[in-house]
Amino acid sequence: AQSVTQLDSHVSVSEGTPVLLRCNYSSSYSPSLFWYVQHPNKGLQLLLKYTSAATLVKGINGFEAEFKKSETSFHLTKPSAHMSDAAEYFCVVTPSNDYKLSFGAGTTVTVRA
Amino acid sequence: DAMVIQNPRYQVTQFGKPVTLSCSQTLNHNVMYWYQQKSSQAPKLLFHYYDKDFNNEADTPDNFQSRRPNTSFCFLDIRSPGLGDAAMYLCATSRGGAAYEQYFGPGTRLTVT
Repeated sequence: AQSVTQLDSHVSVSEGTPVLLRCNYSSSYSPSLFWYVQHPNKGLQLLLKYTSAATLVKGINGFEAEFKKSETSFHLTKPSAHMSDAAEYFCVVTPSNDYKLSFGAGTTVTVRA
Repeated sequence: DAMVIQNPRYQVTQFGKPVTLSCSQTLNHNVMYWYQQKSSQAPKLLFHYYDKDFNNEADTPDNFQSRRPNTSFCFLDIRSPGLGDAAMYLCATSRGGAAYEQYFGPGTRLTVT
C-alpha cells in the first residue's frame, strides 16, 4: 500500500522569497513521485516527476524537488516565489507495480505582494 | 496541441435528472480516468479504462457509470444526481505504466439544483 502526507495544509510566502512544500510518502514498491499544481477552477498540471533516475528533479516554472529515500521525502522548492505561483499543490505517489495515483491532501500556497 | 478536452466546462442539472459529461483526448493514451473533486479536497478516482477494460473503484456509487466507445472518447454518466454529487469532475489520460504521468483535462464543474 502507498500513502502520501503533505505536512502543511497552507503555506504563505512573500513574493520573491523561497517556497518549500513538504511531502512524505510510504510505498511497498519503488515509487514514482509527482508534484501537480492546480489553479482555481482548472485541471491539474504536472510540475515534475521522479522515476528512479536523478534524485534532484527539475520541473517547470523554476520548481525542483529532491527524492530522499532514507527520509521517504519528496519536498518541492522554488527559490523565488511569483504571484502566479498561488495555487493548490498535490504530492502524488504511484508504486512501480501500479499506475493509479495516490494523492496527498494538498497544500494551498498564498503569495503576498 | 495534443490535449485532454472536457465538455461542457460547466453543467447544471436538476436533482435526479440524468447527466453525461464527456472527455476526449488526442494523445492516443491507453488509460482514461475519471475523478471527482470536491471543494478543498484531493481528486478521488471513480474508475478508469485500460483500453477497453473497465476498472471500477470499490467505493464508487452505482449511480456513476462510464462508457468508452473508442480510444479517444470517454463519458461519465450520472444516472440520478443528488446534491452530494455537485463537484468538479476531472478526466485524465496516461500511457498506463507507473512511471508515466497523467494528463488532466480542465474539468467540468457540476451543479445540482
